[in-house]
Amino acid sequence: EVQLVESGGGLVQPGRSLKLSCAASGFTFSDYNMAWVRQAPKKGLEWVATIIYDGSRTYYRDSVKGRFTISRDNAKSTLYLQMDSLRSEDTATYYCATQETGRFAYWGQGTLVTVSS
Amino acid sequence: DIVLTQAPLSVSVTPGESASISCRSSKSLLSSKGITSLYWYLQKPGKSPQLLIYRMSNLASGVPDRFSGSGSETDFTLKISKVETEDVGVYYCAQFLEYPPTFGAGTKLELK
Repeated sequence: EVQLVESGGGLVQPGRSLKLSCAASGFTFSDYNMAWVRQAPKKGLEWVATIIYDGSRTYYRDSVKGRFTISRDNAKSTLYLQMDSLRSEDTATYYCATQETGRFAYWGQGTLVTVSS
Repeated sequence: DIVLTQAPLSVSVTPGESASISCRSSKSLLSSKGITSLYWYLQKPGKSPQLLIYRMSNLASGVPDRFSGSGSETDFTLKISKVETEDVGVYYCAQFLEYPPTFGAGTKLELK
């Protein structure tokens, strides 16, 4: 059974950093592209970043470029999202998801990040 | 960025009846490989999103065949026949023709 378990969320002040993790199991992690998708409270879904299966390429939405870094450790089957210079508008539940031929097939349960002073 | 416009934003359906949700794209989602990169997701209350339909009309694994997707290059429809109580939630269309992948605003389905 595919499982994606996010962790690392919490309350953080504007301008500070936070690192999210997503532990994967039940599939061959190193074969899959992975993504982070977020959802602000009571709002819709918004793609954040993608990393190719071998870590060779990354993609970001414009609003997080230069502030967020997606990475992965295939030996540990873990996906990461380093978030720096956080803003109030980054407040959201962050989901990790498998990304295959354009579809987000499997999703984690999400971890809530709240950016507030 | 490609903009997806969903309609209606909310729909109320009697169990056993059908429901349709529309999604219109600002750009053709038909790729040069002949694939239409339009997806449908359902987010049940308090849950993570789940994939329902991929490439416009293909049912994801485990999804009941009450769900179906259709459309053209820019206009798409999700149809739910014989709505059940478990179908309540917010439905999102999404495109992955190009980066950034984008989502529609969502359509909330409720029961009468």
